[in-house]
Amino acid sequence: DIQMTQTPSSMPASLGERVTISCRASQGISNYLNWYQQKPDGTIKPLIYYTSNLQSGVPSRFSGSGSGTDYSLTISSLEPEDFAMYYCQQYDSSPWTFGGGTKLELK
Amino acid sequence: QVQLKESGPGLVQPSQTLSLTCTVSGFSLTSNSVHWVRQPPGKGLEWVGAIWSGGSTDYNSALKSRLSISRDTSKSQVFLKMNSLQTEDTAIYFCTKVQPYYYVMDAWGQGASVTVSS
Repeated sequence: DIQMTQTPSSMPASLGERVTISCRASQGISNYLNWYQQKPDGTIKPLIYYTSNLQSGVPSRFSGSGSGTDYSLTISSLEPEDFAMYYCQQYDSSPWTFGGGTKLELK
Repeated sequence: QVQLKESGPGLVQPSQTLSLTCTVSGFSLTSNSVHWVRQPPGKGLEWVGAIWSGGSTDYNSALKSRLSISRDTSKSQVFLKMNSLQTEDTAIYFCTKVQPYYYVMDAWGQGASVTVSS
């Protein structure tokens, strides 16, 4: 199974700050990488698909990049609604696997 | 409007079988796959398994021997059955629709809370 290592596990940040979350796969995943946001009430929504494509309705302050084994999610300027959990997920091979998650907290 | 809704027992005894139903609307099960994802209390997301648009299935390696996913396309329902339940299976179980080309989980149910306890 492909292991997904997400860093950091938690990140204190301020409104307006630029933040980057990293995700490393245990082997190359050919850009088959998605990012999700989970709010405190448990609702989950997709943000980025296929490494760098913005899901419909997601603000342009979110962006994704990467290749091979290393990927990242960047939020250019934090808004109050962005403080949440973030997960990467690979779909290069079955079983699909998620990263351990990053909790973005208000500093 | 795409919707998914999980239903099932909130409490299951250890060693018993969990049965969950995901009822979908707004899309066809023969054109989209449905996946199950679970989240233990205070922990991250774990992919459980999937039933693809053609009816084939894929399962998490660690759960494969205990897991079965099936569907009834006429009722727009997907079923998850997991036997020999243990306390570690306590989690919120989500069903999700996967977009057929880019394989992103683009719609999620609200989740069904399952507690394994005697």
